[in-house]
Amino acid sequence: DTAVSQTPKYLVTQMGNDKSIKCEQNLGHDTMYWYKQDSKKFLKIMFSYNNKELIINETVPNRFSPKSPDKAHLNLHINSLELGDSAVYFCASSRWESSTDTQYFGPGTRLTVL
Amino acid sequence: AQTVTQSQPEMSVQEAETVTLSCTYDTSESDYYLFWYKQPPSRQMILVIRQEAYKQQNATENRFSVNFQKAAKSFSLKISDSQLGDAAMYFCAYRDFGNEKLTFGTGTRLTIIP
Repeated sequence: DTAVSQTPKYLVTQMGNDKSIKCEQNLGHDTMYWYKQDSKKFLKIMFSYNNKELIINETVPNRFSPKSPDKAHLNLHINSLELGDSAVYFCASSRWESSTDTQYFGPGTRLTVL
Repeated sequence: AQTVTQSQPEMSVQEAETVTLSCTYDTSESDYYLFWYKQPPSRQMILVIRQEAYKQQNATENRFSVNFQKAAKSFSLKISDSQLGDAAMYFCAYRDFGNEKLTFGTGTRLTIIP
């Protein structure tokens, strides 16, 4: 069973378009994250939600809007896509206040903006 | 702000040999967690090993072990009996206790020579 899943796996789109990436976890976790990995493989956190509430919001353009309809889902919507948004986006989840405290990652979504 | 430094962009090791990947970090906190994640060509981020800063004993997971030197703020990963499947990017990561944000290093690409 897939623990953290993302759709789509690949996304190719034109500059200026609006797109969404979906994330679902079946681990029973209550905290979810979005990370961006750039072309140099550098991974940086973008957002974190706990029980559908935003708890981490790094310096990210407001064209990026996360939405958490429930604890098991965290979607990422991107408006007016730019060339610099091309990257791999990873979703992750963990348990809040857990003794193990490990984040489990999804397979990533490679976004290419043309 | 916490920073994580991986000074070896690339490493290679002969199959069945042992290799050590370096990681240093900067923090003023005393309670935190450290992680090593592996990212194979499939792009999936896989947890390799974790260490709680309050534990003096170095974590081990089968062929993977760490050398955690808290005073030196060093957290190296040793891979014993290297296998072809170990070829991947390896990321060191840091997280404050009570803070969900993971800070990653820039990664080390490990090549296994048959």
